[in-house]
Formats: sequence, C-alpha cells, structure tokens
Amino acid sequence: GEDVEQSLFLSVREGDSSVINCTYTDSSSTYLYWYKQEPGAGLQLLTYIFSNMDMKQDQRLTVLLNKKDKHLSLRIADTQTGDSAIYFCAEREASGTYKYIFGTGTRLKVLA
Amino acid sequence: GAVVSQHPSRVICKSGTSVKIECRSLDFQATTMFWYRQFPKQSLMLMATSNEGSKATYEQGVEKDKFLINHASLTLSTLTVTSAHPEDSSFYICSARIPPTSGEYNEQFFGPGTRLTVL
Repeated sequence: GEDVEQSLFLSVREGDSSVINCTYTDSSSTYLYWYKQEPGAGLQLLTYIFSNMDMKQDQRLTVLLNKKDKHLSLRIADTQTGDSAIYFCAEREASGTYKYIFGTGTRLKVLA
Repeated sequence: GAVVSQHPSRVICKSGTSVKIECRSLDFQATTMFWYRQFPKQSLMLMATSNEGSKATYEQGVEKDKFLINHASLTLSTLTVTSAHPEDSSFYICSARIPPTSGEYNEQFFGPGTRLTVL
C-alpha cells in the first residue's frame, strides 16, 4: 500500500514562515491535499494541488509539488499562533475509488 | 462549502454495548461516504467506503461484523460499533464525496468527528 510520510513536529516563532514537508509513494495520484486539524476537531481543507502543477499559492499558503521526488510541501507565511495545529497531507488514489491516503501528520507549534 | 455533520459528537458507553454514529451531508447528496478512525496523536486510517444502496467496502484488517455500516439514503450513513470494547475507543470521522462534475476535484467534505470512549 501507499505510505505518506511527514515529520512529526515543527516549532516556529510567530511571524516566521513554516514549511511542512510530505513524501508520498503513489506517483499516479491526481490530487494532493493539505488539511488542518485543531484539537478535538475534524479536518479543515486548506488547499489542494493537481498533479500537473508545480506550485500553487493561496494567500499565506504556498504549495510546492516535486513529482519526480514525490515530495509535497506547505509553506505558511507570517505564521500566527492560530496556526498551531496538526497538518495532514493526503493523496487521492488514482484507482477511481476516490480514497484518500493520509500522511502521519505534523504538529505545528507557534511560539509567541 | 458543503457541510457534513456527525452525531453524536461524543459518546461514552459500557463495554459490550453497541453504539451508532450518524454521518449526514446537509446540503448535498453523497453517493459515497467514507469512515475513518483516528487514535490519539495518529493519522486517520480509512476503515470503509460506504456507497448508497450497496454494501460497504472494508479496508484490510477492519472487521465488517464489528463495524456495521449502512448507507440507506443519499444524505445519511451510519456506523455501528457492535459489542464495543475499550480498544474501540477512538475518534471516528466520516467524510462525504460530492458528486463528480466537470472541472471539480471531487473533494471529500469531512464531518467534525465523534469521540467514542468505551469503559
């Protein structure tokens, strides 16, 4: 099966940029997603990128996709304390089942 | 955006009892819903895919007799944890897939989750 890996923790100071990395194994994935989960809550879709794109920017968020290395990253500019949460990347299987495979999650802590 | 609700948000039950969790798509019809479980500080693991009007497709290692899934209508899927035990305590999250349309990326919309605690 596919494995989607992320580093477990990231700590940054308020106002700095955060970069969360993700590696995936299914090269045929069509869409890749970034979700945010706050404590005890469900998932909030932050952004997504189609596999034929290299970069996507949406306000403070920048997604970079390196298909050759199967590497996805999420950059959060001007990180705020409200950004503290767990961030999951996810890939959508290309098999037609529309199943999502989630990464292990990165816990972002923003220091004031 | 589309809204998915879950009920209850939190449930505590005694070992050996059954618990039903509902997942509803509030403003769209979902032919496909997904059920995930999440252990503390871990990722979401897909348990099963629920298709309206047909049997659910379970992931490897998920007991279909223990986790009964019913998708009786286009807006409701239920997950019943039968004869619950403490090891079933977890955070259960459902998602609903919007119907495919031209240009859409077929996003799944997630419910807020249900925290099950089995004593």
